[in-house]
Amino acid sequence: AQSVTQPDIHITVSEGASLELRCNYSYGATPYLFWYVQSPGQGLQLLLKYFSGDTLVQGIKGFEAEFKRSQSSFNLRKPSVHWSDAAEYFCAVAPNTGRRALTFGSGTRLQVQP
Amino acid sequence: DADVTQTPRNRITKTGKRIMLECSQTKGHDRMYWYRQDPGLGLRLIYYSFDVKDINKGEISDGYSVSRQAQAKFSLSLESAIPNQTALYFCATSDSDRSGYYGYTFGSGTRLTVV
Repeated sequence: AQSVTQPDIHITVSEGASLELRCNYSYGATPYLFWYVQSPGQGLQLLLKYFSGDTLVQGIKGFEAEFKRSQSSFNLRKPSVHWSDAAEYFCAVAPNTGRRALTFGSGTRLQVQP
Repeated sequence: DADVTQTPRNRITKTGKRIMLECSQTKGHDRMYWYRQDPGLGLRLIYYSFDVKDINKGEISDGYSVSRQAQAKFSLSLESAIPNQTALYFCATSDSDRSGYYGYTFGSGTRLTVV
């Protein structure tokens, strides 16, 4: 079975600083990988996804993520954080068969300081 | 109107009571899911349905049941609620086209408190 680990429960960055959120997965083959964001009081919104091909994927709101097979990682990055990026971020994984549901990590809460 | 609507938004119920959470969608998606969110645990899958006749248990299905009444409706029931089922519950949908498998659309959630 697939699993996802987000080692950072809470991260605080200053507005304008760069951001990297870590995600490690466990799966026997190359899975499908995702990042979702949850703003307070809201459901989750898809930021970006990786299925295959180019290991650097671009998403919405200026986010990108890089798939590193050798490290079983799919870290999320943003070069310059805005105050509106404060939210909880979830990494998720699914097998590439399409016959399963997503497995989510435990989330990383991002706080942005002025 | 929202694409995925969950009712109620908030509910307080007593231990031992039966409660149903409802989810309806206008996306036309075949696939529907129920997750619960607990602080520090992320979202955990309760049940999922790939079409009206295809319902599957997730990792934490004990104490829950579901009904897929139509393509657009997927209800979650707690037969006899217990306090550790206090959580935020999310319904989600996704397309059955390969590219849409995991582009979930989430509802706004139902906050359930069992006292």
